[in-house]
Amino acid sequence: DAKTTQPPSMDCAEGRAANLPCNHSTISGNEYVYWYRQIHSQGPQYIIHGLKNNETNEMASLIITEDRKSSTLILPHATLRDTAVYYCIVRAPIIQGAQKLVFGQGTRLTINP
Amino acid sequence: DTEVTQTPKHLVMGMTNKKSLKCEQHMGHRAMYWYKQKAKKPPELMFVYSYEKLSINESVPSRFSPECPNSSLLNLHLHALQPEDSALYLCASSPLLGPRNTEAFFGQGTRLTVV
Repeated sequence: DAKTTQPPSMDCAEGRAANLPCNHSTISGNEYVYWYRQIHSQGPQYIIHGLKNNETNEMASLIITEDRKSSTLILPHATLRDTAVYYCIVRAPIIQGAQKLVFGQGTRLTINP
Repeated sequence: DTEVTQTPKHLVMGMTNKKSLKCEQHMGHRAMYWYKQKAKKPPELMFVYSYEKLSINESVPSRFSPECPNSSLLNLHLHALQPEDSALYLCASSPLLGPRNTEAFFGQGTRLTVV
């Protein structure tokens, strides 16, 4: 699975959009980009994933560059509850079977009032 | 029900004790996982079960013994642990089939302290 690089920490003002970058320059053609987050003292929570098209759900948007070497997770209107460690994970899909989710160091996002 | 329930939430045990961590889910997921997380570090995969059979063991010491008695339950038996095994132990589950098999659900974890 491709390695990812994320900034160790970021700050964002409450109500503004939080843009979290992730570099995955060695990504292969069949590998997806996944985002999870972990709020303090809780288990990680799935946010979103994508292959090459931009994706949006009720939690966030995922923008993947055309060359797929980097992506950005966007939280459109950040709240204090979005303060968490955000993990970007790249892996190939498993058609049938258990996934081996390997977490990198992640980005500690702090939302300031 | 989209929850993964872990018990106990906190556990303190001595190095000669035997204890078990429990994990339960009722989402029909046939893949279940144990992760270990040290403070300020990312979760590290320990074990993966598929269809109640151990499919991945990430070279975990034998003092950690997983068990999957049925499709809803996952246990982690602990024996002769060391203080450095103190950590947050996370359980997760995911579908094995279908378009949502990329989405793993995590429990809140058991915070283990070995004294």
